[in-house]
Amino acid sequence: QSVLTQPPSVSAAPGQKVTISCSGSSSNIGNNYVSWYQQLPGTAPKLLIYENNKRPSGIPDRFSGSKSGTSATLGITGLQTGDEADYYCGTWDSSLWVFGGGTKLTVL
Amino acid sequence: QVTLKESGPVLVKPTETLTLTCTVSGFSLSNARMGVSWIRQPPGKALEWLAHIFSNDEKSYSTSLKSRLTISKDTSKSQVVLTMTNMDPVDTATYYCARRVPAALDYWGQGTLVTVSS
Repeated sequence: QSVLTQPPSVSAAPGQKVTISCSGSSSNIGNNYVSWYQQLPGTAPKLLIYENNKRPSGIPDRFSGSKSGTSATLGITGLQTGDEADYYCGTWDSSLWVFGGGTKLTVL
Repeated sequence: QVTLKESGPVLVKPTETLTLTCTVSGFSLSNARMGVSWIRQPPGKALEWLAHIFSNDEKSYSTSLKSRLTISKDTSKSQVVLTMTNMDPVDTATYYCARRVPAALDYWGQGTLVTVSS
């Protein structure tokens, strides 16, 4: 199993808000920045959030990130069908990189 | 613009050694605070980080695969090479390379599917 724990799936209706959690420990999330990745079906992952809450250029402000202690959260507002994807959190853990197990978002 | 592209065999036999190349453009492998990671994803499964090489040639490897992996770079060719020995069918996956900035993997290649089968 993954070092970082994410819920396997979340779902919400179009226009609604959803949050995805990522739980770790002091050796990873607790002492490092968290990043989030979106993987649309059949495509490579794309950076969505870095340094806990920053968005790369071109990422809409519907996507947000936060961190508290050893957990991080990805928030998506105004859900669109195009947001259906797998979402992964990632961070450093004692000089190694670790990912969460991924969360499949379904927009009902 | 920044791009990364993976290349290598699509099919390898069990026990063989896999060699993958990541060719980058839009940045230099000698840029400080940057590096390149390899990540893989078995069909229908989660991402798994494999290895990383920094601009100063410092390397790090997944604990579980460390004995089988070697990462290297040729800055003049803008290439990062990953070798994985003793391939097994469970190593069947899409292999990605990605650029690492201090706290994220900001650009990813399209990935290359490697199948391990006799």
